[in-house]
Amino acid sequence: GAGVSQTPSNKVTEKGKYVELRCDPISGHTALYWYRQSLGQGPEFLIYFQGTGAADDSGLPNDRFFAVRPEGSVSTLKIQRTERGDSAVYLCASSFTPDYEQYFGPGTRLTVT
Amino acid sequence: GESVGLHLPTLSVQEGDNSIINCAYSNSASDYFIWYKQESGKGPQFIIDIRSNMDKRQGQRVTVLLNKTVKHLSLQIAATQPGDSAVYFCAEPGGTSYGKLTFGQGTILTVHP
Repeated sequence: GAGVSQTPSNKVTEKGKYVELRCDPISGHTALYWYRQSLGQGPEFLIYFQGTGAADDSGLPNDRFFAVRPEGSVSTLKIQRTERGDSAVYLCASSFTPDYEQYFGPGTRLTVT
Repeated sequence: GESVGLHLPTLSVQEGDNSIINCAYSNSASDYFIWYKQESGKGPQFIIDIRSNMDKRQGQRVTVLLNKTVKHLSLQIAATQPGDSAVYFCAEPGGTSYGKLTFGQGTILTVHP
């Protein structure tokens, strides 16, 4: 079956602009996660959803970052007033429930110039 | 020159050798650990997991060992193949649920034919 998909695969934006990153989880997975990975580092947790609600958003670095999952399937990570330090690969993962294995997508590489 | 952040431990082996990748964790209350493999340009891929009531768990060509006394985790790969070349991360739940994973630093494994 289809895995986790993320669009776009690459995004280049100018400092100060707004960006949206999309994640399509595996069908039937109720839990969805966002991570950020900088070069040479492990993924860093941002937020996870159980259904439509954010179960844990403790990893969001500041109020410029926001994520939604309005229908409990597709999720969008939104970044306002992007900064060069936001440049990273943004990974999405999903799992059947939070206690089950997380399956990762290929990521969106965000570059802020 | 080397980029900032690229200071991952590295392991270089010959095809057919056994590989051992190590990970130290800090949270003595962690009761679940996972190993992920990440190939260049891809998201992390689940390899094997272990719960704290076990010392050892075996999969196909992989074995995870857990030493709770010294808070150490290792991944053993038997008969390493060139396709095993990747970055390997250990991860553990970072919060009260399994949804929020905290990843270790990662180890670069290079397998020479």
